[in-house]
Amino acid sequence: QSVLPQPPSVSAAPGQRVTISCSGSSSNIGKNYVSWYQQLPGTAPKLLIYENNKRPSGIPDRFSGSKSGTSATLGITGLQTGDEADYYCGTWDSSLSAGVFGGGTKLTVL
Amino acid sequence: EVQLAQSGAEVKKPGESLKISCKGSGYTFANYWIGWVRQMPGKGLEWMGVIYPIDSDTRYSPSFQGQVTISVDKSISTAYLQWSSLKASDSAMYYCTRHSVDPRYCSSNCYMWYDPWGQGTLVTVSS
Repeated sequence: QSVLPQPPSVSAAPGQRVTISCSGSSSNIGKNYVSWYQQLPGTAPKLLIYENNKRPSGIPDRFSGSKSGTSATLGITGLQTGDEADYYCGTWDSSLSAGVFGGGTKLTVL
Repeated sequence: EVQLAQSGAEVKKPGESLKISCKGSGYTFANYWIGWVRQMPGKGLEWMGVIYPIDSDTRYSPSFQGQVTISVDKSISTAYLQWSSLKASDSAMYYCTRHSVDPRYCSSNCYMWYDPWGQGTLVTVSS
């Protein structure tokens, strides 16, 4: 059982919009910043969003992040088949003094 | 370009020891905490622990404390993850990743994120 529950899977058609949720608690998301990672099949994770809503250089603005209270959300607009991947949220847990990740969400672009 | 290059895949027997490596380049290796993340087959990411190259200060996830050892050789910009006695349940992909901030200052408002990531080292433990 992940510290940060995420829906196991989401799906949408090309061009559509999808959101992925990440739930936490007062010791992790409620207190610290959230990041998101994209893991394409057979590859290492890649930073997608950091500090709740910032995009690293090279990440298109189709990807967005937000945080409210003890939850965070990743949004992807204009879905492309190349977006099919597993997506993970991550943050620091101040009670555990450790990093924590969500269980991951598999995105399927139908 | 900032990069982390990991050692190659390993196949080991239960009870054997193992040390895998992660070499940083393109940045001042000593200035950033570097950590390890486990991904078991078909499963999600699990944060294992992190080390500071300057003084080897090491922090472990409670789930991995006592199960693995993280070390570093700053002279060659390389971090290590080692096991003294492998189990079949240690079979997984292991990633190293650079941490954005010092976890010692993460009691609140922690700006922690992980970038870049190594390519991964697949460890298979089987008799």
